Amino acid sequence: EPEVTQTPSHQVTQMGQEVILRCVPISNHLYFYWYRQILGQKVEFLVSFYNNEISEKSEIFDDQFSVERPDGSNFTLKIRSTKLEDSAMYFCARGLPYGYTFGSGTRLTVV
Amino acid sequence: KQEVTQIPAALSVPEGENLVLNCSFTDSAIYNLQWFRQDPGKGLTSLLLIQSSQREQTSGRLNASLDKSSGRSTLYIAASQPGDSATYLCAVTLGTGTASKLTFGTGTRLQVTL
Repeated sequence: EPEVTQTPSHQVTQMGQEVILRCVPISNHLYFYWYRQILGQKVEFLVSFYNNEISEKSEIFDDQFSVERPDGSNFTLKIRSTKLEDSAMYFCARGLPYGYTFGSGTRLTVV
Repeated sequence: KQEVTQIPAALSVPEGENLVLNCSFTDSAIYNLQWFRQDPGKGLTSLLLIQSSQREQTSGRLNASLDKSSGRSTLYIAASQPGDSATYLCAVTLGTGTASKLTFGTGTRLQVTL
C-alpha cells in the first residue's frame, strides 16, 4: 500500500506564527485524520476528514486549527497562531476499511 | 467515553523470552482494535488489526487476541529480540464514519536486553 508521507519532519516556529503541516502523497482514500502526541502523552485525535469535509473534530481542534485538501491529493493542517502548548508530534493517517496507516509525523516545536 | 488502558506501562525482559502485553477498553461495542509499534521520536507502525468479529490475528512472532465481551486484548510476542524494543500501543474504533476515530492507550514501553 502507498505510504503516507508527511512534510516537514521537524518544524520550529515562534509563538504566534502560522504553520502548515502537509501530508503527501495521498491515495484515493476517502478518510483522512490528524492526530497529535504531546511528548510523553497519549496519541490524541484532532480531526477526521471525509469526502473533502470535516467529519468530526475533537475539543482540541478549536478555531486556531483548519484542514484542507487544496489540490485533491495533498492534505494540510494549519495552525493559525501557534502557542507553546501546540508543541507536539502531529500525525496524518488514512483509515478504514483495513485499519489505519500513519505517516512518520511532523515534530512541531513552538518557541 | 471510551477509555483504553495498557498494562504494564513498562517491561524489561531478556532476549528470547515470550511476553504478553495487555490492553483493556471500557466500551465493548468496538468496531476494531489495532496494535501499533512506536520507536522513540518516530511514527506509528501498524502491527495487527482485529475486527470485532474476530478472536485473534497472527503475524510472524506476534499474536493478538480480542475478547470483546470483557473489553480486553492481548499482544503476545514470542522469542523476543532486542529489535522488538519499542513502545506498543493499542487503539480502538467504535465504528465507521463519525465513529471511526481511534482512541489510544498510553502504551507499554518494552525493552529487550541481551
